[in-house]
Amino acid sequence: AAGVIQSPRHLIKEKRETATLKCYPIPRHDTVYWYQQGPGQDPQFLISFYEKMQSDKGSIPDRFSAQQFSDYHSELNMSSLELGDSALYFCASSHRAGAYEQYFGPGTRLTVT
Amino acid sequence: GIQVEQSPPDLILQEGANSTLRCNFSDSVNNLQWFHQNPWGQLINLFYIPSGTKQNGRLSATTVATERYSLLYISSSQTTDSGVYFCAVYGNQGGKLIFGQGTELSVKP
Repeated sequence: AAGVIQSPRHLIKEKRETATLKCYPIPRHDTVYWYQQGPGQDPQFLISFYEKMQSDKGSIPDRFSAQQFSDYHSELNMSSLELGDSALYFCASSHRAGAYEQYFGPGTRLTVT
Repeated sequence: GIQVEQSPPDLILQEGANSTLRCNFSDSVNNLQWFHQNPWGQLINLFYIPSGTKQNGRLSATTVATERYSLLYISSSQTTDSGVYFCAVYGNQGGKLIFGQGTELSVKP
């Protein structure tokens, strides 16, 4: 079965640079979620989209923005990167927002030097 | 917001042993999922279990929503079961998952 695709899988950036992470949800899933997992921590919700509209927002820095496109893929844009942004970034998708099972992608490991 | 607590935080087992992981949550939830994060960082869906009991091979899970807890059972553990097990819940604040701190399991040969 098709899974959530994330690219790139690994990314190394320097401080103050920008990064764009991409997420392709499971076919026919219309809801996308982004999570950030720091070293030794549990994943923390950043933002979600349902039918291309932002549906919920967590502790996402103002330096980060995201959107969902007409083909339902999503991009997370991160600017003015800081050392503390180094983390594993997961995208998840589900069919409909709310109490539906979320399926996670393999993650993008971002390292900021 | 909802608080999710997992216990124990760490667990070391000999291969072949059984174990029970617990997840307590502080408020009513619309859903609950169990995940296994392997050493490569991938989050693998184990169970989607708002209530009741489910089984998948050597793993099973039970959620008692009225008492606000869920249990994950691992039987005849194998070294490939090592990793971190997360419980995550949906509250009433939209579809975001709120994760517990995880249980780090190490299975020794």
